[in-house]
Amino acid sequence: QSALTQPRSVSGSPGQSVTISCTGTSSDVGGYKYVSWYQQHPGKAPKLMIYDVTNRPSGVPDRFSGSRSGNTASLTISGLQAEDEADYFCCSYAGSYIYVLFGGGTKLTVL
Amino acid sequence: QVHLQESGPGLLKPSETLSLTCAVSGYSIRSTYYWGWIRQPPGKGLEWIGTVWHTGSAYCNPSLKSRVTISVDTSKNQFSLRLNSVTAADTAVYYCVRHDDGYVNFDSWGQGTLVTVSS
Repeated sequence: QSALTQPRSVSGSPGQSVTISCTGTSSDVGGYKYVSWYQQHPGKAPKLMIYDVTNRPSGVPDRFSGSRSGNTASLTISGLQAEDEADYFCCSYAGSYIYVLFGGGTKLTVL
Repeated sequence: QVHLQESGPGLLKPSETLSLTCAVSGYSIRSTYYWGWIRQPPGKGLEWIGTVWHTGSAYCNPSLKSRVTISVDTSKNQFSLRLNSVTAADTAVYYCVRHDDGYVNFDSWGQGTLVTVSS
């Protein structure tokens, strides 16, 4: 099974909004409520930002939001801040054989 | 607050067995959470390796399944990863993680440990 498809890079200016897409199939992203997003700064472990497509863990700013349309999940970051510059990975449950798929990752640059 | 810490050799030769342990503190491994391993080759993306429950029941990435064993030691509050017959392609930072029954909600991560496979 191929990894989920994400754009390699996105960018935005401080205060703007950016959206990162994550495209899969009806057997993963489009088929289950189990989609999550991770933020990773250089040299650090990833951090859970969104789970179950739209939910934010405690402590994650409400500038981060998740959504899904069909087989594509999206992470939107509004009011961009310099500290948002990082790599972002999506992740989806893919059924009881593949189980877990990650996207290839998107590098967010804050201009 | 849960803390996960990986330990194990950082350098292996091709064909050797990778063995890592994740010590869990601040939380009982016998809880309702699941425990797993994820790796990241240098400069690349994340790859899920496998997951284990405190009962010892485990499931793994089918692409690695033939080489992977994940086990749990509840008496020591830790779990382990064994990956047989390593090659250079197994060079990566290995993270131990915790998740709930949502399969992909990895809410706690170890700091990661770099394992290099080189002759």
